[in-house]
Amino acid sequence: GAVVSQHPSWVICKSGTSVKIECRSLDFQATTMFWYRQFPKQSLMLMATSNEGSKATYEQGVEKDKFLINHASLTLSTLTVTSAHPEDSSFYICSAPPGTGMNTEAFFGQGTRLTVV
Amino acid sequence: AQRVTQPEKLLSVFKGAPVELKCNYSYSGSPELFWYVQYSRQRLQLLLRHISRESIKGFTADLNKGETSFHLKKPFAQEEDSAMYYCAPLYNNAGNMLTFGGGTRLMVKP
Repeated sequence: GAVVSQHPSWVICKSGTSVKIECRSLDFQATTMFWYRQFPKQSLMLMATSNEGSKATYEQGVEKDKFLINHASLTLSTLTVTSAHPEDSSFYICSAPPGTGMNTEAFFGQGTRLTVV
Repeated sequence: AQRVTQPEKLLSVFKGAPVELKCNYSYSGSPELFWYVQYSRQRLQLLLRHISRESIKGFTADLNKGETSFHLKKPFAQEEDSAMYYCAPLYNNAGNMLTFGGGTRLMVKP
C-alpha cells in the first residue's frame, strides 16, 4: 500500500520555540492532507486540511497563527507549531485522504509526539 | 452535523470470548464505512471496509442501515487483538474526510 512518512517521530522543545513537522507521501501524490491531534487515550481530532496550492482549511477552535500549515508540493505538507507552550504537547498525525470507489483506504503517518518543556 | 458514536471506551474480554465493538453513525447520504485499528506504538491502519465485505483477522462488520450501525465483531478474541479501534464513516460531502468515532480500547486478557 501507499506510504505516508512523518518526521520527526518525536521532538522535545522549549516553550516559546517553533517546531516543524513534515508529512510526505512517498509513492503517490496527495493534493490534500489532513492533520490530526490525538490526546492520550482519546480519539483523533481534526485540526486542519492542507491543500496543495491554496490555503489550509482550519477546524473551528484551531488557531491559524499558532498552527501554520504549508502544502508545498504534491508530496509534502508541513505543520509548524509556533511559540509552543506545554499545552501544545500532544501526538500529531497526518493523513492522506481516501479516494473514491473501492480504493478508499486512508494512509496515515506514524505520528509525531511533541513535548514542550 | 455528522456524528459517529462508539459507546464503549473500554471493552475487556477473555481470550476466546466473542467480541462486539459498537458503532452508530448519523445518516447523511450513503457514507462508506470503515474500521481502523491502532496497535500499541503503531500507526493507525485500515482494518476493514464495508464496501469490500471482507473479513480481516477474523473480524467482520455488518452494516445495518435501519439502525445506522456498523458494529465490529469477532467470534473468538485473541490477545493480539488488543488495540484501539475506530469506526470511521466517509461522507463524500465532507471532501472525502474521514470522521472518527471516539474509539474503543479492546483488551483481551489471557
